[in-house]
Amino acid sequence: KNEVEQSPQNLTAQEGEFITINCSYSVGISALHWLQQHPGGGIVSLFMLSSGKKKHGRLIATINIQEKHSSLHITASHPRDSAVYICAVHFQGAQKLVFGQGTRLTINP
Amino acid sequence: SQTIHQWPATLVQPVGSPLSLECTVEGTSNPNLYWYRQAAGRGLQLLFYSVGIGQISSEVPQNLSASRPQDRQFILSSKKLLLSDSGFYLCAFERNTEAFFGQGTRLTVV
Repeated sequence: KNEVEQSPQNLTAQEGEFITINCSYSVGISALHWLQQHPGGGIVSLFMLSSGKKKHGRLIATINIQEKHSSLHITASHPRDSAVYICAVHFQGAQKLVFGQGTRLTINP
Repeated sequence: SQTIHQWPATLVQPVGSPLSLECTVEGTSNPNLYWYRQAAGRGLQLLFYSVGIGQISSEVPQNLSASRPQDRQFILSSKKLLLSDSGFYLCAFERNTEAFFGQGTRLTVV
C-alpha cells in the first residue's frame, strides 16, 4: 500500500533552534515534495527531490532512497517559519501524489 | 513560466445551493490535475485527479463531481451542497514530477 508518514505531527520550538521534520514512505518513489502551508491555506512548494540533498536559504531537504526516508531541516528558525509542512510523494507507477498528514510547526520568539 | 489560478478565494454558500470552483493552468500542456479538500485541522484529502481531457478519477464517494473540459481547466462542482462540504479546497497540477498549487478556496456552507 502506498503510504506516507510524517513526524512529528506538532512541533513547538524557540527562535533560533534547529528544526527537523521527518517523512517516511512505504515503497519506491519517482519524486518527493516538501510543501509549506501558511495559516491562510495557500501552499508553496519548497523542494522536489528524487535523490540526495537540496538547500535553499535556511532550508535543507535530504532523501535516503534505500531507507525510504526524507527530512526537512530549518536552521536558525524564525517565527515566520511557523506553518504546516507537508511531505507529498509520487510513487513509482502511480498516477497521483500521496500526501502526509503534515507537521504543524510553531516557532516562538 | 508555469502558473495555476484558482477562484474564488473564499465562498459562503447556503445548504442545497450549487457549487462551481474553477482552476486553470498556464505555461504547460497535458498536466495531471488534482482537487484536494482539507477539513479543519486535518490533512489534504485527494478528491479527484485527471490525466487528460474528459478523464476523471474519483478517490472518495461524495457529493461532488469534477470535469476537465479543456486541457488546462479543471472544475469542481456540486448540484446541492451539504454542511459537510465545508472546507478548504485546493487545486494542483503536476508535470514532469514538478507540482504546483493554487491558493485554495475556503468554502463555508451555512
